[in-house]
Amino acid sequence: NAGVTQTPKFQVLKTGQSMTLQCAQDMNHNSMYWYRQDPGMGLRLIYYSASEGTTDKGEVPNGYNVSRLNKREFSLRLESAAPSQTSVYFCASRIRDREENTIYFGEGSWLTVV
Amino acid sequence: GDSVTQMEGPVTLSEEAFLTINCTYTATGYPSLFWYVQYPGEGLQLLLKATKADDKGSNKGFEATYRKETTSFHLEKGSVQVSDSAVYFCALIMNYGGSQGNLIFGKGTKLSVKP
Repeated sequence: NAGVTQTPKFQVLKTGQSMTLQCAQDMNHNSMYWYRQDPGMGLRLIYYSASEGTTDKGEVPNGYNVSRLNKREFSLRLESAAPSQTSVYFCASRIRDREENTIYFGEGSWLTVV
Repeated sequence: GDSVTQMEGPVTLSEEAFLTINCTYTATGYPSLFWYVQYPGEGLQLLLKATKADDKGSNKGFEATYRKETTSFHLEKGSVQVSDSAVYFCALIMNYGGSQGNLIFGKGTKLSVKP
């Protein structure tokens, strides 16, 4: 059981380049999330998708776009990368059920913008 | 808004020492509470959770009890090992109302266990 899979694991970008982080989950979860992790800041929510066809901004959405392609996939796009976007990015998913409220995380994508 | 506050690290302990990492929360509704662990270079793994007041979550020798009266969810382990060295995150998710559906994290506590 793969769980939450995100790619790539490592990426170096030049300022101004664009890229897309891919995420897929095989747990039939409704909700999906993108977080970034920075030293001393914990994890901060970038965007989330409560269900297929919907997306909403989180705490730090500026400079990012997302697409909920289908129930399984939720991608994060950086249109014009900036050094401030150097971070570790985590995709996550959750089934919307009061009894099962756990969020499951992918293994992370380490992004460096130079 | 909803928030989680956990003790700042780093925390350095000797092997077999007792561990407590404090976590308190602020929530307008009724959250579920979680501890996640992140080993160096890896993603976040769920360590334990509790979904209602007085529930005790436990896993791998770690325990935490959901205390509604003190809005706390402190992580404890009776005897730590070197392999427990990691960053620990306390988190909450609202079951309904408030910031429903979004996991809100503390800033993490780095634990180092020396042999």
